[in-house]
Amino acid sequence: SQKIEQNSEALNIQEGKTATLTCNYTNYSPAYLQWYRQDPGRGPVFLLLIRENEKEKRKERLKVTFDTTLKQSLFHITASQPADSATYLCALIKAAGNKLTFGGGTRVLVKP
Amino acid sequence: DTGVSQDPRHKITKRGQNVTFRCDPISEHNRLYWYRQTLGQGPEFLTYFQNEAQLEKSRLLSDRFSAERPKGSFSTLEIQRTEQGDSAMYLCASSLEGGVNTEAFFGQGTRLTVV
Repeated sequence: SQKIEQNSEALNIQEGKTATLTCNYTNYSPAYLQWYRQDPGRGPVFLLLIRENEKEKRKERLKVTFDTTLKQSLFHITASQPADSATYLCALIKAAGNKLTFGGGTRVLVKP
Repeated sequence: DTGVSQDPRHKITKRGQNVTFRCDPISEHNRLYWYRQTLGQGPEFLTYFQNEAQLEKSRLLSDRFSAERPKGSFSTLEIQRTEQGDSAMYLCASSLEGGVNTEAFFGQGTRLTVV
């Protein structure tokens, strides 16, 4: 069966350091992989998308890599700030417009 | 506010009662999705629509759940004979078919508590 795994343990990190989150999947061939941010009591907010034929994507302090051989995506927050504290979700999608399948999310806490 | 809106934000109901939630997507979006999320978990897919057509329904979805999207605009999700296990956040999202980025825009969710 399809499985998307994110580290369920919270990631505590000092302000200014780089936070690195992992998303591993099995029995899945996604065309796209997306990362979302979710704050408590609110819906997820889209951050970045990376396609199966792309290795790396950047947006401001965020960087995503996608390795279809390893079936893994890494999500980096550089120069982290307390405002980056949230839960980060990875989501896979087989084709444009289809449903998103989410991992369990990783909670990040950036300490000043 | 032109984002996805959900109503109500919170709902407390007694076990066995029926509840209905509403979602208003972004107006030009023809895809609409429903997800359920429990504490500490990621959103779990329930069903999705393209315009008024329901294209997919999760096999995990009990037949107590039904969703509609009349006229391809707003959508409703009804849960009949609620059970305590139905307590969760119900999220609605919309997206544009054929959009290059395929990103989904989520509403704030409806938190259901079954007592």
